[in-house]
Amino acid sequence: KNQVEQSPQSLIILEGKNCTLQCNYTVSPFSNLRWYKQDTGRGPVSLTIMTFSENTKSNGRYTATLDADTKQSSLHITASQLSDSASYICVVRAGGSYIPTFGRGTSLIVHP
Amino acid sequence: DSGVTQTPKHLITATGQRVTLRCSPRSGDLSVYWYQQSLDQGLQFLIQYYNGEERAKGNILERFSAQQFPDLHSELNLSSLELGDSALYFCASSVTLVAGGSEQFFGPGTRLTVL
Repeated sequence: KNQVEQSPQSLIILEGKNCTLQCNYTVSPFSNLRWYKQDTGRGPVSLTIMTFSENTKSNGRYTATLDADTKQSSLHITASQLSDSASYICVVRAGGSYIPTFGRGTSLIVHP
Repeated sequence: DSGVTQTPKHLITATGQRVTLRCSPRSGDLSVYWYQQSLDQGLQFLIQYYNGEERAKGNILERFSAQQFPDLHSELNLSSLELGDSALYFCASSVTLVAGGSEQFFGPGTRLTVL
């Protein structure tokens, strides 16, 4: 069964600090992996998308990594800002499938 | 603003009733996806349409149905509503990427409350 597990479930950090969110998946065969940011009560917004051949992708202060061998991805946020407070969702798509598998997200709170 | 519109923004109704949620995809996007997000659950994929045809089905209840019209807008119909159907319902449309695969753009969602 295709599954995506994210950790930690929630995280509180101080403004200006860095943090790393984890995503482990069992989706096979692997097609691509996305990280989304979802503000409370709003739709998710794509941060990065990575295919099998990519192991790092950056979007401003967000850097995603992918290790397809261990089926792990991480999202690193640098110099956090209050506006980074949101849920971060890892989504993996299997090759040949139109149905994505969503993780349950990591809730990040950035305190001043 | 993702370019995907959803109406209504909020909907309050009673158990046993039927409601229709509407989604207009981004201009040029042929695919529409519907998702349900409950408080204690992550995003759950319900169904996908591509250019008017059903393409993939996820965890969609038999009480729920959807369709995509010739102008590419989509409607999600929820009937015999139960308290547990209270959730945020998102629509997304997608564009095919040059590198392959596709990227989904989500609408603002419809918050359904069943009393």
